[in-house]
Amino acid sequence: GAGVSQSPSNKVTEKGKDVELRCDPISGHTALYWYRQRLGQGLEFLIYFQGNSAPDKSGLPSDRFSAERTGESVSTLTIQRTQQEDSAVYLCASSLFHSRNTEAFFGQGTRLTVV
Amino acid sequence: AQKVTQAQTEISVVEKEDVTLDCVYETRDTTYYLFWYKQPPSGELVFLIRRNSFDEQNEISGRYSWNFQKSTSSFNFTITASQVVDSAVYFCALSEAQGSNYKLTFGKGTLLTVNP
Repeated sequence: GAGVSQSPSNKVTEKGKDVELRCDPISGHTALYWYRQRLGQGLEFLIYFQGNSAPDKSGLPSDRFSAERTGESVSTLTIQRTQQEDSAVYLCASSLFHSRNTEAFFGQGTRLTVV
Repeated sequence: AQKVTQAQTEISVVEKEDVTLDCVYETRDTTYYLFWYKQPPSGELVFLIRRNSFDEQNEISGRYSWNFQKSTSSFNFTITASQVVDSAVYFCALSEAQGSNYKLTFGKGTLLTVNP
């Protein structure tokens, strides 16, 4: 597709359940990022993937969070044993390559609500 | 300390007014990039501008202009003759090197409401 696609757009889950969020980056973009946006807050970096390099997981808030990426395509963010504080919009972005001067293109996000 | 500070949480203006959104950043890098993104109600962030640390020339794009002042570590964004469609959350972001990686750090955003 033309832009970054995320699914689902909305997800309501019960506390303690696992959830999986999906991101389809722009074709040809080697870098992929996940951010979390809590209500009224800025974007909190979670993880990024660059080609076949080891991902930078330094932003993941706990070991309940993990992410995978297949080559330079789809990525999934998994949250295990969800907690209410995990409720947020999870945004995925991709860029042509990973450098400080390359703008990232964002998807519309997945709004996660943990009840 | 925040790396990117957007002190204005919310701004409300009437259509056709000019409005300036402030952004102050903090970095030890000599080479870095600054960005502005717009997040309309649909939720998708839209890239507006990129500025590198060596280029302090102000930029104008239609009704948008940006004032980069390295001496005060500020990168302010002005919308002239605001329109209702400008209503959105605006994020300032800093991209700097951290070891061999680059991090894009966002401010908390400024909610701009333009009333008719």
